[in-house]
Amino acid sequence: DTGVSQNPRHKITKRGQNVTFRCDPISEHNRLYWYRQTLGQGPEFLTYFQNEAQLEKSRLLSDRFSAERPKGSFSTLEIQRTEQGDSAMYLCASSLASGLYYEQYFGPGTRLTVT
Amino acid sequence: EDQVTQSPEALRLQEGESSSLNCSYTVSGLRGLFWYRQDPGKGPEFLFTLYSAGEEKEKERLKATLTKKESFLHITAPKPEDSATYLCAVQAIGGAGSYQLTFGKGTKLSVIP
Repeated sequence: DTGVSQNPRHKITKRGQNVTFRCDPISEHNRLYWYRQTLGQGPEFLTYFQNEAQLEKSRLLSDRFSAERPKGSFSTLEIQRTEQGDSAMYLCASSLASGLYYEQYFGPGTRLTVT
Repeated sequence: EDQVTQSPEALRLQEGESSSLNCSYTVSGLRGLFWYRQDPGKGPEFLFTLYSAGEEKEKERLKATLTKKESFLHITAPKPEDSATYLCAVQAIGGAGSYQLTFGKGTKLSVIP
């Protein structure tokens, strides 16, 4: 399977704990995006990387959230001091940064539940 | 601020009953409009990209069209396996954040056998 992969698929944590999610993009894609989706809503943009550079962050991304993409390969999204409002599906997507085609391909998501 | 509004929120069709989903958008400059399908508990699956008014794309029973203010996803003779939430998203031209997608809330389609 050469699609976008995310781990873990599900995470249950207690309020105040830190969590980290991983995303492995499609191998030749140099752009990587993180989105968050809550029930009944469309995905909301959080941040994106081109290679290892983080080029844009949404105002939704509070100081408790941090994302990295070392060496321009996989990416991690960490949430510190989780709150119940952080419960959501966290989606990763990747795309090429060239030419006329800008479609983003999504992974299966990580479902976070904060108790 | 870019905005995407999808209607209806939910649609129930009998198998074989054709219909259309609407996506209205406001964007400063459109780079592309995207349609995705999302099954429960899964990530969105890419369907189509439309770049300019008048463009149409087809895939099996689905056909997407684009005008300057809205896009339609036409479903011809749907089958139960077409049941899913269909998401519309826009990508704006210009600026460092211009590659992010702005999504609508989706239309939940149910096709009854």
